[in-house]
Amino acid sequence: DTGVSQDPRHKITKRGQNVTFRCDPISEHNRLYWYRQTLGQGPEFLTYFQNEAQLEKSRLLSDRFSAERPKGSFSTLEIQRTEQGDSAMYLCASSSGTATEAFFGQGTRLTVV
Amino acid sequence: DQQVKQNSPSLSVQEGRISILNCDYTNSMFDYFLWYKKYPAEGPTFLISISSIKDKNEDGRFTVFLNKSAKHLSLHIVPSQPGDSAVYFCAANTGGFKTIFGAGTRLFVKA
Repeated sequence: DTGVSQDPRHKITKRGQNVTFRCDPISEHNRLYWYRQTLGQGPEFLTYFQNEAQLEKSRLLSDRFSAERPKGSFSTLEIQRTEQGDSAMYLCASSSGTATEAFFGQGTRLTVV
Repeated sequence: DQQVKQNSPSLSVQEGRISILNCDYTNSMFDYFLWYKKYPAEGPTFLISISSIKDKNEDGRFTVFLNKSAKHLSLHIVPSQPGDSAVYFCAANTGGFKTIFGAGTRLFVKA
């Protein structure tokens, strides 16, 4: 296993378009997290899953954002009707057991033009 | 509402000397604190953590100190090496799995 994998690495989209990102966590990890990071800031929590259940969502996650983890393995994050303010690095992370530390992927950089 | 604050955007240290990165928090319910390191074009990598019931945790060149009364923690790196040059994030959670990150401190270690 090579760690947490995110696809695509970069995405440029026009305002108003929908985008979907994929995250493949470390295979034995039951928890999966999405974060967003903007320039000069630390990662901001968006949501997390334990297996297929979405257990917490941030207020940052507006109704244009939706995340799924249908089989408790990979996850997708969809942003509908993208806005310029959605431009950011979207990070996925995973963890297992009682560990509070997580393993991060390299992120998907979204640019909305 | 910035619950985890890293007030120094950057720090420059000579190779071989000690690097001290600081972090303050406001939420007294945090019970676990973590430091992550991030290189350009990579995701953050876990470095070291400390439970709120401890005041010190050491792992090789890295030591984290926690002062609960001051709501302050620090990461000490000694001796500092050029490969330590990265952005360091302080983070905290309440035992659940929602982790709050600070804005980061960029460390430059000069050879």
